Amino acid sequence: SQKIEQNSEALNIQEGKTATLTCNYTNYSPAYLQWYRQDPGRGPVFLLLIRENEKEKRKERLKVTFDTTLKQSLFHITASQPADSATYLCALDVYYGQNFVFGPGTRLSVLP
Amino acid sequence: SQTIHQWPATLVQPVGSPLSLECTVEGTSNPNLYWYRQAAGRGLQLLFYSVGIGQISSEVPQNLSASRPQDRQFILSSKKLLLSDSGFYLCAWSATRLAGDYNEQFFGPGTRLTVL
Repeated sequence: SQKIEQNSEALNIQEGKTATLTCNYTNYSPAYLQWYRQDPGRGPVFLLLIRENEKEKRKERLKVTFDTTLKQSLFHITASQPADSATYLCALDVYYGQNFVFGPGTRLSVLP
Repeated sequence: SQTIHQWPATLVQPVGSPLSLECTVEGTSNPNLYWYRQAAGRGLQLLFYSVGIGQISSEVPQNLSASRPQDRQFILSSKKLLLSDSGFYLCAWSATRLAGDYNEQFFGPGTRLTVL
């Protein structure tokens, strides 16, 4: 069956450290993968997109990797700050940009 | 610039009552439109998506329906709400995908629905 998982429901890290979040999927072959941030009571906000033929993508303190062999994406936040505390969602494109499947999310807490 | 609106922001409805949630997008044409539901502490579940006026695809069988009467208007409806319909409903749009291009989704502020 098709499945998308994120490594943990919640992750606590100390300010200044690097947070690493994992997204694993089975029985999908996405052309690309996206990461979103969601704050409580708000809609998700797009962060980064990585294509199947890209290994790594960076944006400021964010870095995403995509391994289609392992069927895994890693999302890194370097020099984390308390303001980075939020839920982070990965999403797979499963039908030509018309249909997406979201992971359950990882709630990140950056402790001062 | 593009904006997406949803209303109402919160809604409390009794079981068996009808539902109508509206979503409108400004500043873009022919967007792909989506309705998602997020149960408490859960991920996003895609309910419906639309690639054009009158074109609706349903992802999950349920007592909900969607309509797209205008290019930038997407409506989620129910004739009779169930307790299990409670949740956070999100509308989203993405640009029409061109060959070789990939687009992110832009989400609205959401509607918190409680069915009692």
